[in-house]
Amino acid sequence: DTEVTQTPKHLVMGMTNKKSLKCEQHMGHRAMYWYKQKAKKPPELMFVYSYEKLSINESVPSRFSPECPNSSLLNLHLHALQPEDSALYLCASSQETLYEQYFGPGTRLTVT
Amino acid sequence: EDQVTQSPEALRLQEGESSSLNCSYTVSGLRGLFWYRQDPGKGPEFLFTLYSAGEEKEKERLKATLTKKESFLHITAPKPEDSATYLCAVHASGTYKYIFGTGTRLKVLA
Repeated sequence: DTEVTQTPKHLVMGMTNKKSLKCEQHMGHRAMYWYKQKAKKPPELMFVYSYEKLSINESVPSRFSPECPNSSLLNLHLHALQPEDSALYLCASSQETLYEQYFGPGTRLTVT
Repeated sequence: EDQVTQSPEALRLQEGESSSLNCSYTVSGLRGLFWYRQDPGKGPEFLFTLYSAGEEKEKERLKATLTKKESFLHITAPKPEDSATYLCAVHASGTYKYIFGTGTRLKVLA
């Protein structure tokens, strides 16, 4: 099974809402990632978890809060987002940190 | 500063017209170079990993090669279903950086 799943597929939220994005993998990978991708741009790394511990935080605003409940699950908690945060949010996993990554289908987030 | 540049930005090919995409990199040391394919609105799909100059990998109509300064993704006799954005990414030594290039948008016309 080489699949990374993400829910929801689409999310529309207001600037005062709190929501969460979820990601799951069952490949036994030890590293998981969150990326943000704007249209016609490459993915931008946000967070890296390695062995369930946050190892990289690319200076992401505190309105994005990651969580890794176990080795298969990754959440991204969203609060007080801005319209410019609207983007495709991608989750990925890899066997070890920064090896080849397997991406989920993404969550299309719109902030109104 | 570590940098990854892809060219061309966009490429239109006729079906069967072979071509190459370029990924140039400037990093302090290469741990790995990765190629991905991304369809619109979807997550990138892993294609190849290259670790050292001279290495080559093949998959169907795609062949990736690596030198000390750049990588090429050769597409032989492409088909319309090969249309996608092709991204390369570099993992630089001594860093926790995974740097994506800006991608090449490939369109193959029937």
